[in-house]
Formats: sequence, structure tokens, C-alpha cells
Amino acid sequence: EPEVTQTPSHQVTQMGQEVILRCVPISNHLYFYWYRQILGQKVEFLVSFYNNEISEKSEIFDDQFSVERPDGSNFTLKIRSTKLEDSAMYFCASSEFGGGSYSNQPQHFGDGTRLSIL
Amino acid sequence: GEDVEQSLFLSVREGDSSVINCTYTDSSSTYLYWYKQEPGAGLQLLTYIFSNMDMKQDQRLTVLLNKKDKHLSLRIADTQTGDSAIYFCAGGMDSSYKLIFGSGTRLLVRP
Repeated sequence: EPEVTQTPSHQVTQMGQEVILRCVPISNHLYFYWYRQILGQKVEFLVSFYNNEISEKSEIFDDQFSVERPDGSNFTLKIRSTKLEDSAMYFCASSEFGGGSYSNQPQHFGDGTRLSIL
Repeated sequence: GEDVEQSLFLSVREGDSSVINCTYTDSSSTYLYWYKQEPGAGLQLLTYIFSNMDMKQDQRLTVLLNKKDKHLSLRIADTQTGDSAIYFCAGGMDSSYKLIFGSGTRLLVRP
């Protein structure tokens, strides 16, 4: 069964450094997402991406964050000038369709990247 | 704003049925999902239901939706030790791309 793959599985970075988290969505999916889960807290939506632009973002997704689809297969989340509170599990997801009444298709998640900021 | 709530912990004996409950606040939730997370792993989609349905069955899994009470449940029949995991309820709406997750219910299956 096709799956979303994320690399690396664990990333350790010094505070203030930039980090790029990578994802390969399922090949025929058109909508891409990033979520994060801080330890002990709920999974939170960060951003959705379709047709090479952001379709929706949460208030968490400020100027520190950016997303990109640099080629036909990868989807990346860049975090600039990382802070201690950016430490979390970051999940990438993809879906065939997104939004819209009853046309929505489920979001399929990767195994996540655990980001530790020191 | 939207919120999804779940009980935190459930313990059952192997072979019994498990029922994991979820409540949501936003009546415009169009679709509701159940995800499973095993230790060290990602979020595995188990099943989902649209708000125009009351029930969905998929092998050992039965999802019940009570729209009046905004209550969703996941029943796992003949629970096995391999079902031990955290189960997340998540809701989505027509007007948004995001999913709103509950805190997750940790299911422990005792032999």
C-alpha cells in the first residue's frame, strides 16, 4: 500500500539554526499537510498546500515557517531560527482531494520526524 | 472554536470488545476519522465516517455517529493485544482543510 515517507526520523538541532523536514507524499495525491505534536499535547494543524501554494495555515504557522514542493515528489517544511518550543513530532500528510462537501478524501500520515532543539 | 474530546485511557481483556468515545463541539464537522498510533510510529488511518451516515462497519471495527449529541464511538470487536495503541478521533469540515484532533485514548489490552 502506498505510504507517506518522512526523513529524517529524528533531527537534533541547536537553537537558532534552520532545519528542513522532508516528506514524500503518496504519488497521486494533490493536497499536502504539516501537523505537529508537542509532547503530551494534541496533534495540531500547521499548514495545507495545493497547486504550489498554501491553501490554509494556522496561527502557529508564522514567518518562521515555510513550505515548498521543490520537485515533483518532495514536500518540505523549513523552520528558521529554531526555538526550544519548536521541539515536537512533525507529521506530514497527503490526500487525493481536500475540502468540499463529501468529496474529501482521508489524510494519510507519515511516521513523523522528531525534532529536538537544544 | 472547534474542539474534540476523548477519554484518556481504556483497559480491556483480550477477546472483549473495546469502545472508545469521542465528542466534538462543531456541528459543521462533515467527516470524522479514527487514527491509530503505535509506539514510535505515525498515525495510521483506521476508518472514517461522513456526517450523513449513522454507522459504518469495517471488519472488527464499528463506528457509530450520534449527530444530535455530537458523539462518535469506535468499537473494536474481539480485541487483541496487537490493538494496544493510542486511538485518535479527528474531525474535519467543508470549509477547512485541517483536521482537529482529540487528545487520544490509550487502549491497553490485557492477556
